[in-house]
Amino acid sequence: DNVLPQSPTTMAASPGEKVTITCHARSSGVYMNWHQQKSGSSPKLWIYDTSKLASGVPDRFSGSGSGTSYSLTINSMETEDAATYYCQQCCSTPPITFGSGTKLEIK
Amino acid sequence: EVKLVESGGGLVQPGRSLKLSCAASGFSFDDYWMGWVRQAPGKGLEWIGEINPDSSTRKYDPSLKEKFTISRDNAQNTLYLQMSKLESEDTAIYYCAREDYGLDYWGQGVMVTVSS
Repeated sequence: DNVLPQSPTTMAASPGEKVTITCHARSSGVYMNWHQQKSGSSPKLWIYDTSKLASGVPDRFSGSGSGTSYSLTINSMETEDAATYYCQQCCSTPPITFGSGTKLEIK
Repeated sequence: EVKLVESGGGLVQPGRSLKLSCAASGFSFDDYWMGWVRQAPGKGLEWIGEINPDSSTRKYDPSLKEKFTISRDNAQNTLYLQMSKLESEDTAIYYCAREDYGLDYWGQGVMVTVSS
């Protein structure tokens, strides 16, 4: 099964609340990205190389991790952050593996 | 501006074949690996495979049982996905994506529905 475990599967957060999503890689030393997907739209690269924000991503987002445990954090939830977030591991075998996804809703 | 535009989707009968295209613009197409990802209705993202800039290397998800063939035409800045022996489980949105240590740009996707 080529899907990385992500937790939680779904969650709801209030505006201003801190949010953390975790992802477990299959092996250490991987290159970890995160993608945001809103309903009816294609995914967008959101965080790359564990902690670097893609162009245009608000700085309330951050990424961290090492070894086989990685996370995406929103410092203060905003309405526009409601979406599904997928982690994506690169450069192992197979070359690309996605996480199971976390659906984040606004309370 | 990087732009990826998929085409060629639609309704196809089980057992038939279909070829998708992805027109790229806004970057040097022949400098990048390119890949395909699909998403079944209401489900997560599934990586299909990738191709290197000169087409000498292609890699596929081993679970897809040789159903897919990826190719490219650098002169036309176009990526292709040949799909064969389609089944209802192949019903999905198919995305092409540029690869740079993972996927950094995505197309808007094209729907493929496999049904009789």
